[in-house]
Amino acid sequence: AQSVTQPDIHITVSEGASLELRCNYSYGATPYLFWYVQSPGQGLQLLLKYFSGDTLVQGIKGFEAEFKRSQSSFNLRKPSVHWSDAAEYFCAVGADSGGSNYKLTFGKGTLLTVNP
Amino acid sequence: DAGITQSPRHKVTETGTPVTLRCHQTENHRYMYWYRQDPGHGLRLIHYSYGVKDTDKGEVSDGYSVSRSKTEDFLLTLESATSSQTSVYFCAISGGVFEKLFFGSGTQLSVL
Repeated sequence: AQSVTQPDIHITVSEGASLELRCNYSYGATPYLFWYVQSPGQGLQLLLKYFSGDTLVQGIKGFEAEFKRSQSSFNLRKPSVHWSDAAEYFCAVGADSGGSNYKLTFGKGTLLTVNP
Repeated sequence: DAGITQSPRHKVTETGTPVTLRCHQTENHRYMYWYRQDPGHGLRLIHYSYGVKDTDKGEVSDGYSVSRSKTEDFLLTLESATSSQTSVYFCAISGGVFEKLFFGSGTQLSVL
């Protein structure tokens, strides 16, 4: 069974600073990987996703993520954080167990606070 | 926005009573999911469906059952509600593997 670990529960950065949110997954085969963001009182929005190809993927709002198979990681990065990036970020892994049986499992999330 | 509706939006019930939450979609999407969101636990998968009458358990399925008799509806039933099932429940849909999830607005359930 797949699982996702986000080691950091809460991260605080200053506006303009760089950001890296960590995500580690466990899955026997190549997983489908996603990052979602949830702003306060809002639903979840997809930032980016990865399955194959270039291991550095670009997403919306200036975010990018890098897949590292050797480390089972899919870390999210942003060069310069804006106050509007304050939100909760969720890493997710999708797994297909055959017969179209596909499910998506989320990590516990990382809450990002941005200081002015 | 994707056509996905959850009902009810809010519900207060008593311990031991059965509760059914409904998720309705107008997108004809194959995959439907029920998650619960609790502080410190993120989104946890309860049950999901990959087609009509095709359902499977997620990571926190105990005490819950689901049914999907037609493409557009996915029902989540709490057989006998407990206080530990107080949570926000989200339904989500997607058109296929590796496609983005569209989430409903959520149901706030309180079990007293």
